[in-house]
Amino acid sequence: KAGVTQTPRYLIKTRGQQVTLSCSPISGHRSVSWYQQTPGQGLQFLFEYFSETQRNKGNFPGRFSGRQFSNSRSEMNVSTLELGDSALYLCASSLALGQGQSNYGYTFGSGTRLTVV
Amino acid sequence: AQTVTQSQPEMSVQEAETVTLSCTYDTSESDYYLFWYKQPPSRQMILVIRQEAYKQQNATENRFSVNFQKAAKSFSLKISDSQLGDAAMYFCAYRFRGSNYKLTFGKGTLLTVNP
Repeated sequence: KAGVTQTPRYLIKTRGQQVTLSCSPISGHRSVSWYQQTPGQGLQFLFEYFSETQRNKGNFPGRFSGRQFSNSRSEMNVSTLELGDSALYLCASSLALGQGQSNYGYTFGSGTRLTVV
Repeated sequence: AQTVTQSQPEMSVQEAETVTLSCTYDTSESDYYLFWYKQPPSRQMILVIRQEAYKQQNATENRFSVNFQKAAKSFSLKISDSQLGDAAMYFCAYRFRGSNYKLTFGKGTLLTVNP
C-alpha cells in the first residue's frame, strides 16, 4: 500500500515568487492536512480538507492557500514568498468516516523542503 | 487553546536500556486523542503510539508504552530495550475529538541512542 506522496522533495524559490506543493494521500483516505515545520516555531497546522472542503485553517496569512480534488489529492499554494516561508511542509492523510474522525491518527509524507532565497 | 509541552529538548539512552520521554498538555476538553510521533532524519513523521482519552488503560505497542495520567494532563512515552534505530526526534501531539481536525504538537525531544 503506497504511503502519502509529496512532490517535489526539494524546492528553491526566490522572494516574491509563488509555489505549489502537491500531496497524494493514501488510497481511501479522504482527509488531508498540511503542516509547516520550522526550527523556531516547530510544527504548525496550516489547513485540513475533507471531500474538497476546507474544514479548518490555522493562523497563517492569506498568502497560504490550499485545495483538494475529487480524488482526494491536495495542493497548497504560497504566493508572494518571503524568506520566513522557508520550511519543511508536511502533508498528512487520515481515514475519516463520513464527516467524522477516526482514531487512526494521521499518516505523514516525507515533506517538501522549501527554501526561499 | 490547547498546548502541548515537551520539557526535555534532548535525551540520551544506552542501547538496550529504558528511557522515558515526558509530555504535558493543556486542554479544557474531555474527549481527545494523544499521539507520539517519531521523526528520523528521513523527515517522515511516523506514528509510534496513540491513546484515546476515554480509555483508562495505557496503550502499548511492542517496546513502546505510555503512562497516561488524564487528571494530571500527562502523557509520557517509555521506550524499553532501546535500539539504535530508535534515535530520532519524538513529538507528542494532541487532537480534540470534535470538529477542529488538527494536531497540536509539542516542540519535540531529540533522542540519542548510544551503542
